[in-house]
Amino acid sequence: DAKTTQPPSMDCAEGRAANLPCNHSTISGNEYVYWYRQIHSQGPQYIIHGLKNNETNEMASLIITEDRKSSTLILPHATLRDTAVYYCIVRVARANAGKSTFGDGTTLTVKP
Amino acid sequence: EPEVTQTPSHQVTQMGQEVILRCVPISNHLYFYWYRQILGQKVEFLVSFYNNEISEKSEIFDDQFSVERPDGSNFTLKIRSTKLEDSAMYFCASTLRDRGNYGYTFGSGTRLTVV
Repeated sequence: DAKTTQPPSMDCAEGRAANLPCNHSTISGNEYVYWYRQIHSQGPQYIIHGLKNNETNEMASLIITEDRKSSTLILPHATLRDTAVYYCIVRVARANAGKSTFGDGTTLTVKP
Repeated sequence: EPEVTQTPSHQVTQMGQEVILRCVPISNHLYFYWYRQILGQKVEFLVSFYNNEISEKSEIFDDQFSVERPDGSNFTLKIRSTKLEDSAMYFCASTLRDRGNYGYTFGSGTRLTVV
């Protein structure tokens, strides 16, 4: 699976949009981009995923560049409860195997 | 919303003892995983399980570890002879299919403390 690079930490003001970047320059054509977050020591929580089109759900939006070498997770109106470690993961689509490899992620701190 | 349930939430065991960590995945999910996270470190993959057999395992998952789906609902991780370095949060996860179309649902974890 392709390697991802994320900034170690970011701050965001409460109520503002949080834009979390991820670089995955070696991504291959059959690899999806997934985003998870981990609040304190809880289990990771799936947020969103995409292949090449931009995606939106009730939690966030995912913007993938046309060349697919980078993406941005957008939390449109960050709240204090969005303070967490955010992981960008690239994973091949495979029928019966496959793991998600978690890196160091980005620690997002939402400030009042 | 369906959840992955893990029990116990916290287990303390003596070094050398066997422990079994239990997970109840979401009922219609087909793929199951165990991950662990040592305090302050990354979330690490241990093993994936599909169709009643191990699909993939990491170097961490040595002969001391085993997994089982004994009754079609539970998914267990057994550590035969625990070591101090096995102290960690252990997370179970499941997904409906593993073709890149679905994210994993994780449980809230079992904190294992080996003394």
